[in-house]
Amino acid sequence: DGGITQSPKYLFRKEGQNVTLSCEQNLNHDAMYWYRQDPGQGLRLIYYSQIVNDFQKGDIAEGYSVSREKKESFPLTVTSAQKNPTAFYLCASNTLGSTNTGELFFGEGSRLTVL
Amino acid sequence: AQSVTQLGSHVSVSEGALVLLRCNYSSSVPPYLFWYVQYPNQGLQLLLKYTSAATLVKGINGFEAEFKKSETSFHLTKPSAHMSDAAEYFCAYSKTSYDKVIFGPGTSLSVIP
Repeated sequence: DGGITQSPKYLFRKEGQNVTLSCEQNLNHDAMYWYRQDPGQGLRLIYYSQIVNDFQKGDIAEGYSVSREKKESFPLTVTSAQKNPTAFYLCASNTLGSTNTGELFFGEGSRLTVL
Repeated sequence: AQSVTQLGSHVSVSEGALVLLRCNYSSSVPPYLFWYVQYPNQGLQLLLKYTSAATLVKGINGFEAEFKKSETSFHLTKPSAHMSDAAEYFCAYSKTSYDKVIFGPGTSLSVIP
């Protein structure tokens, strides 16, 4: 089945450690996105990529890094510079072709807790 | 700047009652509007979308929404709530199908038996 796979689903990190969240899609979508979700704040865009080897900062990129070496993969690294990394992280994708309606397709999310 | 507001961070309805979740957007151009649903510890799933066609949009699970340009609103309704409708609902906006999507803060819906 086509979809977006995020891993791990739950992750615990000690302060000062970098962690990488995986996001893989087999929908052949062009664009991929990372959102952060905190209670009562909706979803905030961290980074997005519309093409391989290119990505753009979103609204809250500080303390995060990404790469897009393959069309189907868009990993997110939460660095030690991120002051408050405990959150639910969502990866999404969509096509930019003629069938694009703006709809985003989401993975199941990764919950990061800093101990 | 474009924004999305959702009136009421938490709404409770009785099973079988009308569900009404409010969404207003601020934009100077005709928008793309979406409603997504999120169950606990899961990703978001599209309920319905408005893309400048019919102003009354029907979605999955019996939900529908009406685009009202004069009120800059896109409220979500369902005639009869079911226990399985309990979830978080997000209204979202985009200027075009290629622009980034802006999400509202969400409304948590509880259904009382």
